[in-house]
Order: sequence, then C-alpha cells, then structure tokens
Amino acid sequence: IAGITQAPTSQILAAGRRMTLRCTQDMRHNAMYWYRQDLGLGLRLIHYSNTAGTTGKGEVPDGYSVSRANTDDFPLTLASAVPSQTSVYFCASSSTGSEQFFGPGTRLTVL
Amino acid sequence: QKEVEQNSGPLSVPEGAIASLNCTYSDRGSQSFFWYRQYSGKSPELIMFIYSNGDKEDGRFTAQLNKASQYVSLLIRDSQPSDSATYLCAVNRKGSTLGRLYFGRGTQLTVWP
Repeated sequence: IAGITQAPTSQILAAGRRMTLRCTQDMRHNAMYWYRQDLGLGLRLIHYSNTAGTTGKGEVPDGYSVSRANTDDFPLTLASAVPSQTSVYFCASSSTGSEQFFGPGTRLTVL
Repeated sequence: QKEVEQNSGPLSVPEGAIASLNCTYSDRGSQSFFWYRQYSGKSPELIMFIYSNGDKEDGRFTAQLNKASQYVSLLIRDSQPSDSATYLCAVNRKGSTLGRLYFGRGTQLTVWP
C-alpha cells in the first residue's frame, strides 16, 4: 500500500441497507477526514478524526458514523442508506494539520 | 456568505496563455491556503500551498496571497491542454479543528490547443 486506499471503488446500494466505506492510509498521518462531493456543491466534510480514538462532526454528519480504532483505518458507515446519500466519497489524511492528501474515492449510488 | 468563494467558470484559455484563477475567503483569521487540481473522475491533488502574503512560485504555477483583501489566486503560465481540470481553493481557518479545510466549489479550466 502506498498512500491512501478506499474500498469499494463503486457500489450500487438499495435504500435502507447498511454500508461501510473503507479507508486505509500507510503514511502514519494523525488526522483523517471523510468528504462527499456533489455536482455544484463542492467538497463537504462529513466527519473527521484528529487522532486514533477521537472523532468529530463536520458540515454534513447526519446519517453517517465513523470510528478510529487505530491510526491507519477510518471507516465510514451509512446505517440506513437513502437516495440523497448518492455521491462520490473521498477519504483524506494529514500529518501536519494543513495539507491534506486524498484517496481515489468511492462512487456510491443509492436506489 | 460561503467561507470560500470561487468563480465556477468555465474558464477557457488558449494553449500558451496565462490562466488566472481567483478565490476569496470570509474569515480574516485564515492562515493557510491551498490549491488542489481535480481531473474529471479523479481525486483532488495538492498543487500549491501558501501561508504568507505575496507570491510563491513553483514551476509554471504561482500562488498569490493578499490577506488584507482576503484574496488568493493561482496563475498558470504557458497553459497546456493537460492543465484542463477543476481547481479547488481551500482555506484553513485560525482556531478551527486541526487540519480542517474549507473548500470552494471549484473553477473549471479548459485549455484549448
């Protein structure tokens, strides 16, 4: 692994189903972030974690949860998916608290 | 007012020209400023960052910061078709949670041959 990986690359999901998007980084960055990107709305922060064991809410946290059991992994869970959660999801990480580096993204469609 | 404002474009320039991308931000206490490039269907890629007033040059790219005017810009000299992408401006506010960035909605740039 080099950098940040996300899985799956894309997913089609039925409304009401539970889904976990995975994010793993091997750069030993302390901070990690989840964004969603929608046409015309730009990147919006969902949740973040400054260090293992801590998480915080971003701009659009409703319907999503995260955990940070260790430094490398930061999964994002949709407990009961709804069509408005159709989006492209990016995970990012940062060591210095400034420059963020992004994963390749997950394209999620909720029907 | 949104934290970070960018003209959505599209901005279209001929190959070899200078492309000028602009960004304004609302919080006067903002300290760090970033430019990301995002190709269609890809993830954002950091290309420049600037912390102090003035210009910062890196190859064909120059970032300009004017904190008094709350304005940051990106100049791309000798634009190439491969520069065609969406450019995102991001700002780190003083006192915000560690590393949190506020993004503009991006400016779409097209460089035509």
